[in-house]
Amino acid sequence: QQQVKQSPQSLIVQKGGISIINCAYENTAFDYFPWYQQFPGKGPALLIAIRPDVSEKKEGRFTISFNKSAKQFSLHIMDSQPGDSATYFCAASNEGSNYKLTFGKGTLLTVNP
Amino acid sequence: SQTIHQWPATLVQPVGSPLSLECTVEGTSNPNLYWYRQAAGRGLQLLFYSVGIGQISSEVPQNLSASRPQDRQFILSSKKLLLSDSGFYLCARGQGTNEQYFGPGTRLTVT
Repeated sequence: QQQVKQSPQSLIVQKGGISIINCAYENTAFDYFPWYQQFPGKGPALLIAIRPDVSEKKEGRFTISFNKSAKQFSLHIMDSQPGDSATYFCAASNEGSNYKLTFGKGTLLTVNP
Repeated sequence: SQTIHQWPATLVQPVGSPLSLECTVEGTSNPNLYWYRQAAGRGLQLLFYSVGIGQISSEVPQNLSASRPQDRQFILSSKKLLLSDSGFYLCARGQGTNEQYFGPGTRLTVT
């Protein structure tokens, strides 16, 4: 079964700090790696995504780092804010599987003021 | 804008009762549609996906079924609910690309 392994399960960061969440995948056919942010009781929202032809993508305070040889990618949240407190999911997909997303199990991020 | 509606927002149903959850999409034609389930404190599991009217693919053998009677309508059903069917049900849409966008979800509690 295709898997995406996400760590840590939970993370506590002080305001202004850097939050780092890691994911590893097995299927080398994956060609799209998104991160989703989910607040309690809400649907996940697409935050940022990367394709394997680049090693890094930055959007505001959010950065994805991608290591194709290691089959790993990570989300960095710079200057973390209490409003960033949410559950973050990494995922992976590829065109050959009708773009079905395989999700990691999520990371509960708490940013203390 | 492209909007996803899910109905109802919350639902409490007894074991053995039927289920019908609806997802409708606005602002797009011929989307790929997906049903996911999220158990409490856990990740998202793909249940069904559809690339067109009447075309349904099941990912996990289970007590549920899906139908797509119209281009922008995706329905999740069950004839008899089990306790294990409780969870947060999410509909998502794609457009022939990798990007998927999720609806607001339906919280189902089976008692």
